[in-house]
Amino acid sequence: LAKTTQPISMDSYEGQEVNITCSHNNIATNDYITWYQQFPSQGPRFIIQGYKTKVTNEVASLFIPADRKSSTLSLPRVSLSDTAVYYCLVGDRVGNTPLVFGKGTRLSVIA
Amino acid sequence: DAGITQSPRYKITETGRQVTLMCHQTWSHSYMFWYRQDLGHGLRLIYYSAAADITDKGEVPDGYVVSRSKTENFPLTLESATRSQTSVYFCASSPSSRGGQDEQYFGPGTRLTVT
Repeated sequence: LAKTTQPISMDSYEGQEVNITCSHNNIATNDYITWYQQFPSQGPRFIIQGYKTKVTNEVASLFIPADRKSSTLSLPRVSLSDTAVYYCLVGDRVGNTPLVFGKGTRLSVIA
Repeated sequence: DAGITQSPRYKITETGRQVTLMCHQTWSHSYMFWYRQDLGHGLRLIYYSAAADITDKGEVPDGYVVSRSKTENFPLTLESATRSQTSVYFCASSPSSRGGQDEQYFGPGTRLTVT
């Protein structure tokens, strides 16, 4: 399982674009990159998943460079309700290796 | 109701007691998971199941037992609760089109306190 490294915390003002980068130097060929969002007192919620280049949905964009050793979650024009913990998950193969969410990045959006 | 539910939502128990946390999903997802979440540790996988009657250990399985006789249910049992098992427990489910890499759907969590 590819280990991930992401910042512990980030602050942003409302209306700004927020980019959270995750490093995963040991990503395997068949691994996908998945991001989850967790609000206080709730279970995590899937945001976006990608394999390479760029993926966009109604919530976020995911940028993955050609070497796939990192990825960036981009949240456009954040609001106070985007305050949450964001987890980068790579290569969650169920089998010999346990799934690892890590500690995530705590994003605080300030008015 | 459709979705994934956990019960109880809150539980206080004493050291040494057996306690079972229930998880039920209505999607017929093949995979189900149990995580615990503690301050400073993020989410850690306890056990998972790829299908009925198939279970496997995760990152922190010691002190826990699981079973899965039906696809929709995945109970987690603490056979003899310890204070270190005080935590928030999340159950999740996932379809299996790409092994374990599909989106996981999480339940609301059970907050367990062991005194």
